[in-house]
Amino acid sequence: GQQLNQSPQSMFIQEGEDVSMNCTSSSIFNTWLWYKQDPGEGPVLLIALYKAGELTSNGRLTAQFGITRKDSFLNISASIPSDVGIYFCAGMNTGNQFYFGTGTSLTVIP
Amino acid sequence: KAGVTQTPRYLIKTRGQQVTLSCSPISGHRSVSWYQQTPGQGLQFLFEYFSETQRNKGNFPGRFSGRQFSNSRSEMNVSTLELGDSALYLCASRPLSREKLFFGSGTQLSVL
Repeated sequence: GQQLNQSPQSMFIQEGEDVSMNCTSSSIFNTWLWYKQDPGEGPVLLIALYKAGELTSNGRLTAQFGITRKDSFLNISASIPSDVGIYFCAGMNTGNQFYFGTGTSLTVIP
Repeated sequence: KAGVTQTPRYLIKTRGQQVTLSCSPISGHRSVSWYQQTPGQGLQFLFEYFSETQRNKGNFPGRFSGRQFSNSRSEMNVSTLELGDSALYLCASRPLSREKLFFGSGTQLSVL
């Protein structure tokens, strides 16, 4: 099935640094979701976005719905060791189908 | 509210066997979808059920099947297991507004 382009594929950062990642699609989406997944566990929903241009925060996490409706961005500020995991995006199209990004693996070095 | 519950958490099977996985959605959610996750392929959509009817189906062989019961609980069955079926199988439920997906912890299936 279709997968969204997510970058970067992996990141190694120092504790305290900020992190940015993004997802792009060739199709328009009505909803963007961001998840975090720990190894062997199910993805946990972090942030949901429903309108182009929308900016939503959840603690140190901030996500934006791109104005073209074909992309979305996730920022993590002041990273801590428990931020380690795989982050991935999901977009819902006009047919209410979800498509997923390939994931960004985040490693935080204490 | 309890989250999406999947059982069992781990399964080890051998080639040729069949397996049934179970999923209980969040209370009030009537849509249940199944995904296969592997390191190389990411999340691949298997199928979605709503009110006991299959609403959408991904591009998987007929060995993969599912069903949903009147209480919205769902089962997924894989027959004639192959080595390549080893994966984390995730179930997700959606509220009526359909704009969010909530995942269970998954069933880790290993085929030997």
